[in-house]
This record gives sequence, structure tokens and C-alpha cells, in this order.
Amino acid sequence: EDQVTQSPEALRLQEGESSSLNCSYTVSGLRGLFWYRQDPGKGPEFLFTLYSAGEEKEKERLKATLTKKESFLHITAPKPEDSATYLCAPYSGNTPLVFGKGTRLSVIA
Amino acid sequence: DTGVSQDPRHKITKRGQNVTFRCDPISEHNRLYWYRQTLGQGPEFLTYFQNEAQLEKSRLLSDRFSAERPKGSFSTLEIQRTEQGDSAMYLCASSADVRSGELFFGEGSRLTVL
Repeated sequence: EDQVTQSPEALRLQEGESSSLNCSYTVSGLRGLFWYRQDPGKGPEFLFTLYSAGEEKEKERLKATLTKKESFLHITAPKPEDSATYLCAPYSGNTPLVFGKGTRLSVIA
Repeated sequence: DTGVSQDPRHKITKRGQNVTFRCDPISEHNRLYWYRQTLGQGPEFLTYFQNEAQLEKSRLLSDRFSAERPKGSFSTLEIQRTEQGDSAMYLCASSADVRSGELFFGEGSRLTVL
């Protein structure tokens, strides 16, 4: 059975304090790994798709990387508006997507 | 069409009552998904449709839950004889191609069962 573990569960950063979120997975035949952002009371919003180990994607202050067993979401010089829950979902080619529990990020000004 | 819409956004009901949620996906998307999310958890898959065909259902989807997507357009999720454990956010998402990973989610329907 596919499993996804995200750590830490919660992270509190000062504005400008860079850090990384982790997504570990056990999936047979990984075809991709997806990152989403979720604001309180709203549905998740797609951020990135990573297809193979070594791949990187960037968007503003976010950079996602992928290895064979985990993915990292690096946040560089975060701002308060980056506060949200970040969800990852590995994709094995079998729908549906299985999401992790997420990391709840708070960025304090 | 600006996105996936869900209705109602909030529903408060008494235990034992039936509730129905509606989801209107992005019009050109042939796949439609229902997820459930409780506080502190990620979205949990319930069921999905490709056009009007319901292709998969989670074991989370008890006999009290039923979903339809007539004519491959909007979808409804009905919960019969609600229980307090059904209290959650019910999320609908649509996609054109799941391989891209880009599911477009609605804002959800929050259910509170008293």
C-alpha cells in the first residue's frame, strides 16, 4: 500500500528564515510527485509536478526537489503570505492521488 | 468558467438527516473526484468519475454514501442517515489528465453533524 509521510507536522518561521519541508513516500513505480498548497477553509491549489529523481521545479520562493524516496520543498526567505499547509502526493499511475497529512507553515513578520 | 464550484459551502444538520452536495467541475474536464478532509489531515479519496462512469470507490465510502455524475457534467454526493463522524470538509476536484498531477479543487462543502 502506498504511504506518504510529511514532516514536520508544523513549522513556525520568522520572515526571511529559510527552511525545508519533507515528503517521504513508499510507492511502487512512482510516476510523479505533486505538491499542493492549501489555505485555511479552501481547497488545495496545485504547485508542482516532479517526474523523476533529480528534477527540480521553482516558483517564486519555493523550490521542489525529488529523490527516489523523498521530496523536499525548500522555502527561501519566506514571507507571511507563504503561510499555509503544504501537501504532497506521490503518483504511481493508479488514481486516485494519495495525499500526505501536510505541513502547516506559519511565517511570522 | 472560472473553476470548480461546490454547493452549499456550509451545511449544518442533525444526526440521522440526509444531505446532498453538488459539484460543478471545469467544463472541459472529464475526470471528477470527491475527497473528504478532517482537521489536521490531508484529503482522503472517496470516489472518482471519468465522464459519467464511477470508476473507483474508497472503502471509506460506506453504504450511506452515494455519488452520481449524470451526463458526465455536475456531480452530487449524498450522505444518508448522517452521523457525527461524517462531519468534515467535502472537496470536489476535476482534471483533464491526472498524469499532470494538476487537480483543480473547489472550495469545499463543510458539513457539521450535530
